[in-house]
Amino acid sequence: GENVEQHPSTLSVQEGDSAVIKCTYSDSASNYFPWYKQELGKGPQLIIDIRSNVGEKKDQRIAVTLNKTAKHFSLHITETQPEDSAVYFCAATDSWGKLQFGAGTQVVVTP
Amino acid sequence: EAQVTQNPRYLITVTGKKLTVTCSQNMNHEYMSWYRQDPGLGLRQIYYSMNVEVTDKGDVPEGYKVSRKEKRNFPLILESPSPNQTSLYFCASSPGLTLNTGELFFGEGSRLTVL
Repeated sequence: GENVEQHPSTLSVQEGDSAVIKCTYSDSASNYFPWYKQELGKGPQLIIDIRSNVGEKKDQRIAVTLNKTAKHFSLHITETQPEDSAVYFCAATDSWGKLQFGAGTQVVVTP
Repeated sequence: EAQVTQNPRYLITVTGKKLTVTCSQNMNHEYMSWYRQDPGLGLRQIYYSMNVEVTDKGDVPEGYKVSRKEKRNFPLILESPSPNQTSLYFCASSPGLTLNTGELFFGEGSRLTVL
C-alpha cells in the first residue's frame, strides 16, 4: 500500500519568513495530494490540494508543488503569520483511491 | 451550518468497559470514516463506510466496531477498551465515494483515555 513520509516533524519560523514542508510517497499510481491544517483543539481542514496532471497550484500565500518523477510534493507558505501556527498533514491517494496521511508537521510562527 | 458532530469530546474510562463514540453529519455525505491520531503516526484510518449498511476495515481496525444504519450516523464502538486505544479520534465525511474525488470534513475530535 501507499506510504507517505513527511518532513520535518517540527518547524519554527519567524513571522514574515517562508515555511516549506516536504512529503514523499511510494505508490506511483497516486493521483491526488491534499494538504490539511489542524489548529489546536480542532479537526483537520483541507487548505489546498493538487492532482497528478498539474505541477503547481497556488492560493494566496500557500502553494503546493508536485514532482511525479521523484514522487514528492511540497507545501510552501509565504509571509507567515501567527495564525499559520498549526499542525499540517500531507496525504496521498493510493491506486485504490484510499487516502494515506503523513505523520504531520508542527509549525510554530514566532513574532 | 454544515458540520460533523462527535460525542463525547473527552472521555476517561477503564479497561473493559464498553463505550460508543457517536458521529453525525448533516451534509448528506455518502462516505464516512473514523481515524485515530497518535503522536508521530499521523492519522490512521480505523473503519470507513461508503453507504448505509456498507462498512469496511481501514488500516487499524482491531478492537473497534462500527455500524451505518442511517446515512447521517456512524458510531464507533469499543467493546472492551484497552490502554493502547488511548488516542484522539476523528470522524470524517466526504461527498465523494473515493477520497480522490472529494474533500474530507472532520469533526472536532474525541480524546479518549483508557486506564
